Amino acid sequence: GQNIDQPTEMTATEGAIVQINCTYQTSGFNGLFWYQQHAGEAPTFLSYNVLDGLEEKGRFSSFLSRSKGYSYLLLKELQMKDSASYLCAVRDNKNSWGKLQFGAGTQVVVTP
Amino acid sequence: EADIYQTPRYLVIGTGKKITLECSQTMGHDKMYWYQQDPGMELHLIHYSYGVNSTEKGDLSSESTVSRIRTEHFPLTLESARPSHTSQYLCASSGAWMNTGELFFGEGSRLTVL
Repeated sequence: GQNIDQPTEMTATEGAIVQINCTYQTSGFNGLFWYQQHAGEAPTFLSYNVLDGLEEKGRFSSFLSRSKGYSYLLLKELQMKDSASYLCAVRDNKNSWGKLQFGAGTQVVVTP
Repeated sequence: EADIYQTPRYLVIGTGKKITLECSQTMGHDKMYWYQQDPGMELHLIHYSYGVNSTEKGDLSSESTVSRIRTEHFPLTLESARPSHTSQYLCASSGAWMNTGELFFGEGSRLTVL
């Protein structure tokens, strides 16, 4: 299985940049996902990495290093609506397509 | 826009009652999942299905059961609810033809057992 670690909470001001780190241990690796979850709502897909490197989507970027078992999600030009929990999730190659193991999430608080 | 629906959104019931949480998706996805999430905690997979008449237990043991008689429908049932079942239950689906295999989640069913 996987052990997934990410910080519990991070605080940043509006307009700033925040980097959320995620480390994982897996017996096999087949993709890493980042989801955003606002309080009381369903998680929504943000990004997917399966090869090493950086994937950029607007204000959000995600980086993966498979050799280090490490990923980060970068949120730029923070807005108040970015206050949410950010979930790191890993799929390993033992499991069939789609089964994900989730971290506990990082609560990002954006202050004015 | 994902089209996956869960009912009820909120349910408060007494111990010993039988409950069914409904989940339906209109995307034609073959794979469906049930995750359980307590406040501030990680999502735990409790059931999944790769197609009609296919169901498997997930990583977290659960007293609930599921069925998959139709592609679009994946209900979860608790025969006799207990306070320990109080949690949020999230249904999700994914399609085999999608490159990433990302999950689309419903809005969740928050269950409170008194």
